[in-house]
Amino acid sequence: GAGVSQSPSNKVTEKGKDVELRCDPISGHTALYWYRQSLGQGLEFLIYFQGNSAPDKSGLPSDRFSAERTGGSVSTLTIQRTQQEDSAVYLCASSLVSGMGETQYFGPGTRLLVL
Amino acid sequence: QQQVKQSPQSLIVQKGGISIINCAYENTAFDYFPWYQQFPGKGPALLIAIRPDVSEKKEGRFTISFNKSAKQFSLHIMDSQPGDSATYFCAATSGSARQLTFGSGTQLTVLP
Repeated sequence: GAGVSQSPSNKVTEKGKDVELRCDPISGHTALYWYRQSLGQGLEFLIYFQGNSAPDKSGLPSDRFSAERTGGSVSTLTIQRTQQEDSAVYLCASSLVSGMGETQYFGPGTRLLVL
Repeated sequence: QQQVKQSPQSLIVQKGGISIINCAYENTAFDYFPWYQQFPGKGPALLIAIRPDVSEKKEGRFTISFNKSAKQFSLHIMDSQPGDSATYFCAATSGSARQLTFGSGTQLTVLP
């Protein structure tokens, strides 16, 4: 079956521009997560959605980052006024529900390069 | 604040050997400990996971050993194969959101 898909797969932008990253979770998955993987580092939690609501926004690194989810499905992560330190791989994951033992399935990521 | 510490950063093993990756955590609220495998250009994929009420879990060539009192857990890959060459991340979760807190990763290379 179809897994988590993300678009674009690669994005090159200039410093100061806004970017939108899209995530299509596995159909029927109610929980959706965004993570960031910086070069040579581990994965950093950004934000979590249960349905369309985001009860935990504590991981967003600054107010330039925002995310939304509509219809309990597609999610968009927006980075405003991009900075070079935003360059990273942005990964989306989904799980059937948000519960212990629920596997999070990851997409292939969007590789963002800010020049 | 690094809540999950992972070592080594890189590991080279001969084919057929045993690969061992270690992790230690600080937050005693963590209640689920998965390991993820990531190949270049791909997202992480769940490999094996354990809950703290058991000390060991084995799935094929992969075994997690868990020491709750020491707040440590490790991944053992038996009979390592070149196809196992990847980056491995330990992780931990807690709370209602279940977001994953990851270790920094171990790049495993299995020589043929």
